[in-house]
Amino acid sequence: DTAVSQTPKYLVTQMGNDKSIKCEQNLGHDTMYWYKQDSKKFLKIMFSYNNKELIINETVPNRFSPKSPDKAHLNLHINSLELGDSAVYFCASSQETSGRPDEQYFGPGTRLTVT
Amino acid sequence: GESVGLHLPTLSVQEGDNSIINCAYSNSASDYFIWYKQESGKGPQFIIDIRSNMDKRQGQRVTVLLNKTVKHLSLQIAATQPGDSAVYFCAESGYSTLTFGKGTMLLVSP
Repeated sequence: DTAVSQTPKYLVTQMGNDKSIKCEQNLGHDTMYWYKQDSKKFLKIMFSYNNKELIINETVPNRFSPKSPDKAHLNLHINSLELGDSAVYFCASSQETSGRPDEQYFGPGTRLTVT
Repeated sequence: GESVGLHLPTLSVQEGDNSIINCAYSNSASDYFIWYKQESGKGPQFIIDIRSNMDKRQGQRVTVLLNKTVKHLSLQIAATQPGDSAVYFCAESGYSTLTFGKGTMLLVSP
């Protein structure tokens, strides 16, 4: 009964490829997120998305795009992968209360290695 | 003791000690704060939160203190156990998203 799940857990690919990471939450939350965690453990928000709006961190390259087929899923597509994209990517979800975020529940992470 | 390493600040304690992890936040408009624990190979896990209308909140073995005057947040862990070894993050929110701090590694020796 995993709350937030991601697949795959590990992803090794070559530069220039296009890849996707999938995320699903079964908590009934209305907002989902993607974070990137670098080798120094710094967690940076990439996107937040609910059925009203997509908020994009302006520093995220447009090679990254979130796709939400439904409220329980937010997938991350990455085009033309670069070495610097190597990191751990976390999906998270939360329920907004009165327009404000509550605690976020994180998935187990996907370790992406670009060679 | 506490030290700043090449990557993450690290706090080393003995089992049974009380631990205090500190965090300075940047946005004076932030009104919601969370502490997360991240064990090796796992995603961050919620520990405790506090809203800006409070200055202290207690959970099981953990206490969060908020000082809005100096924009400082601390997490106190009582009777630290080896299972508490992890990276701890504070996060702040002013509106729609959380901004995470740098993280502190807590190492607990038996």
